[in-house]
Amino acid sequence: ETGVTQTPRHLVMGMTNKKSLKCEQHLGHNAMYWYKQSAKKPLELMFVYNFKEQTENNSVPSRFSPECPNSSHLFLHLHTLQPEDSALYLCASSQDLLEQFFGPGTRLTVL
Amino acid sequence: GIQVEQSPPDLILQEGANSTLRCNFSDSVNNLQWFHQNPWGQLINLFYIPSGTKQNGRLSATTVATERYSLLYISSSQTTDSGVYFCAVEGEYGNKLVFGAGTILRVKS
Repeated sequence: ETGVTQTPRHLVMGMTNKKSLKCEQHLGHNAMYWYKQSAKKPLELMFVYNFKEQTENNSVPSRFSPECPNSSHLFLHLHTLQPEDSALYLCASSQDLLEQFFGPGTRLTVL
Repeated sequence: GIQVEQSPPDLILQEGANSTLRCNFSDSVNNLQWFHQNPWGQLINLFYIPSGTKQNGRLSATTVATERYSLLYISSSQTTDSGVYFCAVEGEYGNKLVFGAGTILRVKS
């Protein structure tokens, strides 16, 4: 595997479900990010982890819970989501918070 | 926070034509990146260019940091160039990339 990978690529969940999105970077970077892209809105930064420490939480609701066990893996745990949370969730990584490289995204639909 | 404006919002080109996309930003920047988002949603890095000029094949970019703008040039456009082009910047005192609204490019054969 090369670059940044994300699984699953597509996810459909009900409002009462609990699911997790996974991101893995194979670039040796020390920072990882979660972004949300909703229809007709610019990409929004959700979370930043630098050396496994969360350094940014962009006023994200608590129903989104990130986890960064090491500098190569990043998870986004989802619970009791709302239909308006349906979006493309993108993971990125960078070295020293500089040039960011993105994964292919997980397209999430909340029913 | 820093503001990012991209123009034009939409662009339709005939295959083989050239185009220029513009990104204006409101403050000094540490980081500026251009991305191409393909129809499947993947964001592909085009340039990391907080200042200066870079070229990669048919694409080139110039950032004039003192005047707070960046330009992306696409020459001899191909249908595979279609998609959304995003400019993203990180302010001098910020710690996150802020994305513009994008330019939707459609190249017709």
